Amino acid sequence: DAGVTQSPTHLIKTRGQQVTLRCSPKSGHDTVSWYQQALGQGPQFIFQYYEEEERQRGNFPDRFSGHQFPNYSSELNVNALLLGDSALYLCASSLGGGDQPQHFGDGTRLSIL
Amino acid sequence: GQQVMQIPQYQHVQEGEDFTTYCNSSTTLSNIQWYKQRPGGHPVFLIQLVKSGEVKKQKRLTFQFGEAKKNSSLHITATQTTDVGTYFCAAPSGWGKLQFGAGTQVVVTP
Repeated sequence: DAGVTQSPTHLIKTRGQQVTLRCSPKSGHDTVSWYQQALGQGPQFIFQYYEEEERQRGNFPDRFSGHQFPNYSSELNVNALLLGDSALYLCASSLGGGDQPQHFGDGTRLSIL
Repeated sequence: GQQVMQIPQYQHVQEGEDFTTYCNSSTTLSNIQWYKQRPGGHPVFLIQLVKSGEVKKQKRLTFQFGEAKKNSSLHITATQTTDVGTYFCAAPSGWGKLQFGAGTQVVVTP
């Protein structure tokens, strides 16, 4: 039973560039949420995708966008990267949307130079 | 907006001792969830509490939801080195939006 998988594991970008992160949910799950975790802090909710639509969004600018595909996998896109975007980006999956317990992937470590 | 606060931020514990970490919300919650993140790892779901005054146990871990559904606690008895990590509480803040506290980082001294 495959868990949540994310790619890539690590990524280095420079300011102003764009990045795409990918996530495959746990088998049987249909909902994907994305979180940003800075060092020493708790995960910060970016948005949740359910039924291929963005259902809820946290306090993040429009530079952060996403997509969910018919097979429930998801992408997180960040444009015009800033130094402050350096963080661990976590994908979590659940079933049925809403506030169900989250199953997290190992994350993508994004470093901005 | 809703605030979720955890205390203490750090907890140094001797192996074998007990400790408690607390989570407080500025608003009444529909439910609260607890997660554990090992160093270098990802958050792992531990438990969800829904009912006022609810108490749930997982081996040496005891979770409690306050009567007013605005606070929660995690109590660990006879701490072991395997308990090392950061413990987060997380509360719904709108449908599908989970708000995490800053976490309690636990260090265990053998």
